[in-house]
Amino acid sequence: DADVTQTPRNRITKTGKRIMLECSQTKGHDRMYWYRQDPGLGLRLIYYSFDVKDINKGEISDGYSVSRQAQAKFSLSLESAIPNQTALYFCATSDSKELQETQYFGPGTRLLVL
Amino acid sequence: DAKTTQPPSMDCAEGRAANLPCNHSTISGNEYVYWYRQIHSQGPQYIIHGLKNNETNEMASLIITEDRKSSTLILPHATLRDTAVYYCIVRVAPGVRSYDKVIFGPGTSLSVIP
Repeated sequence: DADVTQTPRNRITKTGKRIMLECSQTKGHDRMYWYRQDPGLGLRLIYYSFDVKDINKGEISDGYSVSRQAQAKFSLSLESAIPNQTALYFCATSDSKELQETQYFGPGTRLLVL
Repeated sequence: DAKTTQPPSMDCAEGRAANLPCNHSTISGNEYVYWYRQIHSQGPQYIIHGLKNNETNEMASLIITEDRKSSTLILPHATLRDTAVYYCIVRVAPGVRSYDKVIFGPGTSLSVIP
């Protein structure tokens, strides 16, 4: 969905480096999410945010941190990247006022940690 | 753990109906059934959702059994572009300050064959 963008789309980094993945949305949604996907598996929730400065841990938050300084932006940081964080990362948004609260996903960021 | 079970893969001939089953035998009365799909490493896309009545939209139909323990997603005339992984998800309808995790299991990999 073009309304949810992620940067970078691809990233190669080395073990121990700090990196940040950015997510921006123009949908005006209040809720945002970060997921990771490993080959052959479904998506797992890392962190989610109901609104600006609201942060909640998901299933697999260890080794990650997030920041929600503005409603339209939600960034994911890997403080010290390790190889098992190699994965496809997706950002998503939803509108809490929408009854079914469909989640809209970005195109993904492919991260390789060497 | 996912609250649903789906076959890992299915084939469907182009132009025929694709019927994707999902078991959710432990579903609660306030939980909805959602379907998303993911086309080769793109972000997942919402398809349809329902509570207990059958639902239809421009993409698909959702048939939920009377006891709500299983459901079937129907793509009435499958095309090659419908080749994707389909996820069946059970979750409580979101509240103002509540959030029921969207758990993506492995899903069903549907291959539409020419």
